[in-house]
Amino acid sequence: DAGVIQSPRHEVTEMGQEVTLRCKPISGHNSLFWYRQTMMRGLELLIYFNNNVPIDDSGMPEDRFSAKMPNASFSTLKIQPSEPRDSAVYFCASSAGTGGGYTFGSGTRLTVV
Amino acid sequence: AQSVAQPEDQVNVAEGNPLTVKCTYSVSGNPYLFWYVQYPNRGLQFLLKYITGDNLVKGSYGFEAEFNKSQTSFHLKKPSALVSDSALYFCAVKTNQAGTALIFGKGTTLSVSS
Repeated sequence: DAGVIQSPRHEVTEMGQEVTLRCKPISGHNSLFWYRQTMMRGLELLIYFNNNVPIDDSGMPEDRFSAKMPNASFSTLKIQPSEPRDSAVYFCASSAGTGGGYTFGSGTRLTVV
Repeated sequence: AQSVAQPEDQVNVAEGNPLTVKCTYSVSGNPYLFWYVQYPNRGLQFLLKYITGDNLVKGSYGFEAEFNKSQTSFHLKKPSALVSDSALYFCAVKTNQAGTALIFGKGTTLSVSS
């Protein structure tokens, strides 16, 4: 298995533009997680899905952020409109079962100028 | 609510010396505890986990961690540090209930000098 695949690896965009981050989880994993990493706040859980259904989105910063998981092999995190304070590394992870460890993707480094 | 604390932002050790990276947690019910490592410009890599059973858990690259329920701690240890162990280490916790996600500590930077 190729692991959790995230795209793009790097994204530079101007303030106000829409940004879409993509994730392909490991086949057979039934849970998918989006995290954001910054120097100031560390790793923050944004949202997670179980069997393609959003379970907890309380970590989503505001209405500018949205996430979807249309099927078991694909998820997106969208920011519209983007702001400079959204600059961070966004990680997607997947897992199987309640006690399973998470497998993380390589992350998307987002820079909003 | 669940939370995890890593009291040290940075740990410095000399190569060959033992290392400890501290972690304490707060969770309702029985905890599932994890350690992850992150190298520069990389994603997080799983090191080890405690779910149940023996309090001493052995993981990748010679690391181990001891679950201490009375002290609500899960410190990461290694008998002899390597320069290549230098990285950012994260402790994480979740409950044993379905439908919960891992909450991560702020991370501890381990620096091993030669």
